Amino acid sequence: GESVGLHLPTLSVQEGDNSIINCAYSNSASDYFIWYKQESGKGPQFIIDIRSNMDKRQGQRVTVLLNKTVKHLSLQIAATQPGDSAVYFCAEGGTGTASKLTFGTGTRLQVTL
Amino acid sequence: DTEVTQTPKHLVMGMTNKKSLKCEQHMGHRAMYWYKQKAKKPPELMFVYSYEKLSINESVPSRFSPECPNSSLLNLHLHALQPEDSALYLCASSPRQGTDNEQFFGPGTRLTVL
Repeated sequence: GESVGLHLPTLSVQEGDNSIINCAYSNSASDYFIWYKQESGKGPQFIIDIRSNMDKRQGQRVTVLLNKTVKHLSLQIAATQPGDSAVYFCAEGGTGTASKLTFGTGTRLQVTL
Repeated sequence: DTEVTQTPKHLVMGMTNKKSLKCEQHMGHRAMYWYKQKAKKPPELMFVYSYEKLSINESVPSRFSPECPNSSLLNLHLHALQPEDSALYLCASSPRQGTDNEQFFGPGTRLTVL
């Protein structure tokens, strides 16, 4: 079946450095992608989203890049802070009101001091 | 009010018990969702309600019974659960059903089935 997956289960980054979290998806019909952050003991928190008609979108300290040719999604976090330590999930959505989100396997980001 | 609340935060129940999880939002959202999340795994969709009607049931066992009494409330009734049902149960809401609507998640209910 279709799946959304991540390349690295754990990423360790020094405080102040930039982080890049990658995600591969396999459903070519997907047209909406989201990154969520989940801290321990909390529900997923929306970070940023991107539609398939875009290849880049920027937020506050975060950038999402979408490469539809190779079905790849990445989340870049600038100047990573200890508060960024969490599990990051990419999620893929199809078209239409009956569509649903499919989450990737997740990457744990560890920020070292 | 921009949050989704869930009660209880923790629940321990036996396999013969009947319990309910509750979810509430006051953002005027008309789509609400139940997800199940096992440890170190991504959330998995269970049910979607759109305008208080069940829209998606992801082939969830009948021992899980959802209910949407009004546009602000979502319940998940539990009966005769198995130990493998132990997980974090997440509720989410969005303005409307459709994946281009941001889903807001609650903190979850940590369920342990003995």
